[in-house]
Amino acid sequence: DADVTQTPRNRITKTGKRIMLECSQTKGHDRMYWYRQDPGLGLQLIYYSFDVKDINKGEISDGYSVSRQAQAKFSLSLESAIPNQTALYFCATSDFKGSNTGELFFGEGSRLTVL
Amino acid sequence: LAKTTQPISMDSYEGQEVNITCSHNNIATNDYITWYQQFPSQGPRFIIQGYKTKVTNEVASLFIPADRKSSTLSLPRVSLSDTAVYYCLVGDRVDNNDMRFGAGTRLTVKP
Repeated sequence: DADVTQTPRNRITKTGKRIMLECSQTKGHDRMYWYRQDPGLGLQLIYYSFDVKDINKGEISDGYSVSRQAQAKFSLSLESAIPNQTALYFCATSDFKGSNTGELFFGEGSRLTVL
Repeated sequence: LAKTTQPISMDSYEGQEVNITCSHNNIATNDYITWYQQFPSQGPRFIIQGYKTKVTNEVASLFIPADRKSSTLSLPRVSLSDTAVYYCLVGDRVDNNDMRFGAGTRLTVKP
């Protein structure tokens, strides 16, 4: 089983719908991240959380919200999806204490299409 | 945030050594240089990290000159499976929220 699991892996929805992408991890890491990737481009940081009580905006947080329900769970919501939010979304974790590199561990991605 | 500049794409042939250079002129004292590899429709995977001089692991080497304003990822004897996008990130590894993924370098290895 993957250490970082994202659900759903694929989702097609319509403009205006509320969408939630979920991420769970078994690595025991405190830090979790949500990234967005558009075709042919790099990853952009949406939100990140260093622990359950800590939520921070990234580069492109407008139109998104997050919830850190537990150390192992970090969900991303699109309250009212729009077509330009069509992208591949990645969840990642890291734990500087466990690794002196601060290495990011990524999930397999959630492909979202907004029609 | 230290900005990085990499070539958009590179081509190579199987068995050759590939060197990908990244420029980061405004790197800060606490910043480390980290490289990730990404295959299509997969999340990036950590390759190597360094602060100065040379770092080598079983996958790659990372060369960093004394002024740290650039770095070079070296992949020895590439194979077709090394075809991927390679990202250079610069930032404080403790607070790696400030590490930014640019567009990366798309490496294509040909037979």
